[in-house]
Amino acid sequence: AQSVAQPEDQVNVAEGNPLTVKCTYSVSGNPYLFWYVQYPNRGLQFLLKYITGDNLVKGSYGFEAEFNKSQTSFHLKKPSALVSDSALYFCAVRALNRDDKIIFGKGTRLHILP
Amino acid sequence: GAGVSQSPSNKVTEKGKDVELRCDPISGHTALYWYRQSLGQGLEFLIYFQGNSAPDKSGLPSDRFSAERTGGSVSTLTIQRTQQEDSAVYLCASSRTVTNEQFFGPGTRLTVL
Repeated sequence: AQSVAQPEDQVNVAEGNPLTVKCTYSVSGNPYLFWYVQYPNRGLQFLLKYITGDNLVKGSYGFEAEFNKSQTSFHLKKPSALVSDSALYFCAVRALNRDDKIIFGKGTRLHILP
Repeated sequence: GAGVSQSPSNKVTEKGKDVELRCDPISGHTALYWYRQSLGQGLEFLIYFQGNSAPDKSGLPSDRFSAERTGGSVSTLTIQRTQQEDSAVYLCASSRTVTNEQFFGPGTRLTVL
């Protein structure tokens, strides 16, 4: 069965520091991987996705994520955090070539401290 | 182009009443999902439609919940005999196919008194 884990409920980072939001997954076969963001009082927005190709994926708002097959991880990163990055972040996964639904993690709340 | 729309944006109802929530996906999107989110928490999967296939209803919390998708487009989520624990934001999302990213609607905030 597919699953995705976001081990941290909350991450606090000082503005200007690099940030990482962790995600690990479990699927049968190769994965499609996604990150979504939910800003306060706003809808969920797509950030980036990995399907195949380069393990480092760049997305919106300066975010990037690195696919690591051996560690079954897809951590979200940004070199320099902004206060405006404070939001709820969701990792999602589904198996390639399977007619399965996308599974979302429980979310990680990111607080960027000024 | 137009995004995913949901109506109503807010719904207040009394315990025991039935409610219908509507989702208009992006035109041409074959996959449609319903989720529930309580107080800015995680997403709880409810139901998933993909093309003409039978929907995946594995996330529906009880038989009071049902959903349909007419003509492969508009979807309606129905909650019968609402309970206070049904209070949440109900989110709809669509994607071009199951492998593409989802586009989310603004949600319907349901309050059951």
